[in-house]
Amino acid sequence: AQRVTQPEKLLSVFKGAPVELKCNYSYSGSPELFWYVQYSRQRLQLLLRHISRESIKGFTADLNKGETSFHLKKPFAQEEDSAMYYCALMGTGTALIFGKGTTLSVSS
Amino acid sequence: DAGVIQSPRHEVTEMGQEVTLRCKPISGHNSLFWYRQTMMRGLELLIYFNNNVPIDDSGMPEDRFSAKMPNASFSTLKIQPSEPRDSAVYFCASSLYSGRNTGELFFGEGSRLTVL
Repeated sequence: AQRVTQPEKLLSVFKGAPVELKCNYSYSGSPELFWYVQYSRQRLQLLLRHISRESIKGFTADLNKGETSFHLKKPFAQEEDSAMYYCALMGTGTALIFGKGTTLSVSS
Repeated sequence: DAGVIQSPRHEVTEMGQEVTLRCKPISGHNSLFWYRQTMMRGLELLIYFNNNVPIDDSGMPEDRFSAKMPNASFSTLKIQPSEPRDSAVYFCASSLYSGRNTGELFFGEGSRLTVL
């Protein structure tokens, strides 16, 4: 069965501090992993995907198949990073399955 | 492009009433997804369509829920009869499918349903 686990409902950090949003997954094959973000009063949107190996808005995420994790990281948080973040998994021939989400709050 | 359009944005109804949520996907997109968002369960996939055909409806909670996609530019999610536990934000999303799902979904603003 496919499952995405985001253990933290809320993560509060100060501006300039490092951020790590945790994501673990369960899937028997080779999944594709994604991070989606929902800023206040905006639509849920794609932030990044593991196959692109890109950095978006300073965020990176590395797929660790051994630990079945796809944690989202940023070295220095900004106030505009405050949002709800969802980790998502797509298996072969399936639609996206999302975790329960983590609210990131960055304060000055 | 206005993106994915959902209506109504807010719906308040009484238990037992029929609720119909509507979605217009982005023009040219041929995959459409319905998700439900609650505090307890997060974002749950209810059903998705490729080229107007339902592919996976295993997430539909029970027979009270039904979804249709009569053409490429319109889909409905119906709840009949509605119950208080159906209160949630319902999201529609669309994407371009070309033999496999891309994982890049474009979401609507959601329909917030409250069943009293």
